[in-house]
Amino acid sequence: GAVVSQHPSRVICKSGTSVKIECRSLDFQATTMFWYRQFPKKSLMLMATSNEGSKATYEQGVEKDKFLINHASLTLSTLTVTSAHPEDSSFYICSANPVGANTGELFFGEGSRLTVL
Amino acid sequence: GEDVEQSLFLSVREGDSSVINCTYTDSSSTYLYWYKQEPGAGLQLLTYIFSNMDMKQDQRLTVLLNKKDKHLSLRIADTQTGDSAIYFCAEKGYNQGGKLIFGQGTELSVKP
Repeated sequence: GAVVSQHPSRVICKSGTSVKIECRSLDFQATTMFWYRQFPKKSLMLMATSNEGSKATYEQGVEKDKFLINHASLTLSTLTVTSAHPEDSSFYICSANPVGANTGELFFGEGSRLTVL
Repeated sequence: GEDVEQSLFLSVREGDSSVINCTYTDSSSTYLYWYKQEPGAGLQLLTYIFSNMDMKQDQRLTVLLNKKDKHLSLRIADTQTGDSAIYFCAEKGYNQGGKLIFGQGTELSVKP
């Protein structure tokens, strides 16, 4: 199946710093990518929809100035957690929807575990 | 809003069949998915079913969909210890692109 890659897979940072997480579609193009957050032993919560060439669409309750999303190309979306705090520690997972695909297949990255000290 | 519900735990013996159940509320669901997540890893797409189907089989996996009752199940035949993981049910509504609503996940424990 199609491959979605995230980097870094793990990151530890100090409180107050910013962290960037990348999501790449390796063998297909994606005009839309999705960022989810997962707390331990919990389900995935959609944070925002990343749209290539335009602004991201954020879900209710997600701070757009806190979680900056940039979808600069058809294969790359980035999530930047700004001024990170310990409560931002979580597992962040992206997914991508192949352009022109007429199937239900949706592919997820391996996830990025953020720990804020 | 739309909701997806799963039981949280299931324990089976190796070699038995496992059945993981899921209910959802969105009557406009187009696709329903089963994902597997191992500890510390991302989500692996196991299978998905289009809403106009009632069954899909793929090797050891059988998905049953009762659209009237909004009930989805995943049957794993001959369950192995390597099947131990969390299984997420998810649904995609009409015209929702790649936006999925996930259940809480069912933790499957396979005992030797």
